[in-house]
Amino acid sequence: DVKVTQSSRYLVKRTGEKVFLECVQDMDHENMFWYRQDPGLGLRLIYFSYDVKMKEKGDIPEGYSVSREKKERFSLILESASTNQTSMYLCASSLLEERDYNEQFFGPGTRLTVL
Amino acid sequence: AQTVTQSQPEMSVQEAETVTLSCTYDTSENNYYLFWYKQPPSRQMILVIRQEAYKQQNATENRFSVNFQKAAKSFSLKISDSQLGDTAMYFCAFSREEGSGQGAQKLVFGQGTRLTINP
Repeated sequence: DVKVTQSSRYLVKRTGEKVFLECVQDMDHENMFWYRQDPGLGLRLIYFSYDVKMKEKGDIPEGYSVSREKKERFSLILESASTNQTSMYLCASSLLEERDYNEQFFGPGTRLTVL
Repeated sequence: AQTVTQSQPEMSVQEAETVTLSCTYDTSENNYYLFWYKQPPSRQMILVIRQEAYKQQNATENRFSVNFQKAAKSFSLKISDSQLGDTAMYFCAFSREEGSGQGAQKLVFGQGTRLTINP
């Protein structure tokens, strides 16, 4: 079974703090994604990566950065957390396959509260 | 830009009933994929069913089936003989693929429908 794990289920931080959200997958997937989930807005893509050290902006990258130093690990960084970044953050991974769609597998999510 | 719209924020049915969740999307592309994902309470999101736009036949997975109307850009999910375990948030999603050839297959999600199955 594909397993995507996230470092924390719940996290509480203060405004201005630097926050690291970690995601690890164990199926040797090339693609990894970070989404945020908000009520009434669904999931929105923050950043994705299709290879080690490669990253591309998604639809809402402002206020976030990412790091992918190893294939299995994809980190989301909030350089200076703000209250409007309070949300559920979901990580996902998938195989790289240009000719056909490959299912995205999701982690359990991290519910981040910024006070 | 592609958009996905789920117009039903919440739905509730009795166990064993059939329920249909609606989804519409907007795209100018001809080839794409559509999905329904399920997010049970406090559990991980999983893929329920997918549809390739070039296939006219509607996808079916056991009690789950879709009604894909390409011209109308509509993609509804039907759950037959609903069970308590079907209680979840359901997200409709569209897959786009960047022209760079990297094949990251990013997803665009709808707002979600919270489905409750009552005993």
